[in-house]
Amino acid sequence: GAVVSQHPSRVICKSGTSVKIECRSLDFQATTMFWYRQFPKQSLMLMATSNEGSKATYEQGVEKDKFLINHASLTLSTLTVTSAHPEDSSFYICSAQGARSTGELFFGEGSRLTVL
Amino acid sequence: QKEVEQDPGPLSVPEGAIVSLNCTYSNSAFQYFMWYRQYSRKGPELLMYTYSSGNKEDGRFTAQVDKSSKYISLFIRDSQPSDSATYLCAMSVNAGNMLTFGGGTRLMVKP
Repeated sequence: GAVVSQHPSRVICKSGTSVKIECRSLDFQATTMFWYRQFPKQSLMLMATSNEGSKATYEQGVEKDKFLINHASLTLSTLTVTSAHPEDSSFYICSAQGARSTGELFFGEGSRLTVL
Repeated sequence: QKEVEQDPGPLSVPEGAIVSLNCTYSNSAFQYFMWYRQYSRKGPELLMYTYSSGNKEDGRFTAQVDKSSKYISLFIRDSQPSDSATYLCAMSVNAGNMLTFGGGTRLMVKP
């Protein structure tokens, strides 16, 4: 299946700093990328949907100024957690979909963020 | 009521057992159905993908969709300890649409 790479897999940062997470589609062009947040023992919560070259669409309750999403190319999307707080500590997962997708999503490995 | 309901488990079975995982949904417009497996601290991995009603088999895995009952199932034959993971069902109305996920069922296969 298609490969989606996410980096870093783990990051620890101090409160108030910003953290960038990258999501790359390695063998296909991802016209749409999704960013999810997952709390322990819970399902995925969609944060935002980004289409290449346009602004991301955020789900209700997700602060767009805090979670900056950039999808500048067909193979790369980034999520930047700005001015991170301990409550932002979570598992963040991206997924990607190609232009010819028939509905399947391919997920990155996830990034565990710990804010001290 | 959630759009997609899934028993959270945990479901504990002995090695070699047949496992049945299920989801029910309320939106009759869903046409595309997927099952994902997620190991602890990893991203979900696509296991099975089906369109509309019917069965699909891939190795030890069989996915069933019953649109009339709004019910989907994933069967795992000859379960192995390596099958221990959380299984998420997901569905969408159109290809390329946002997926709606179930809450996930945690499966434990004991040796």
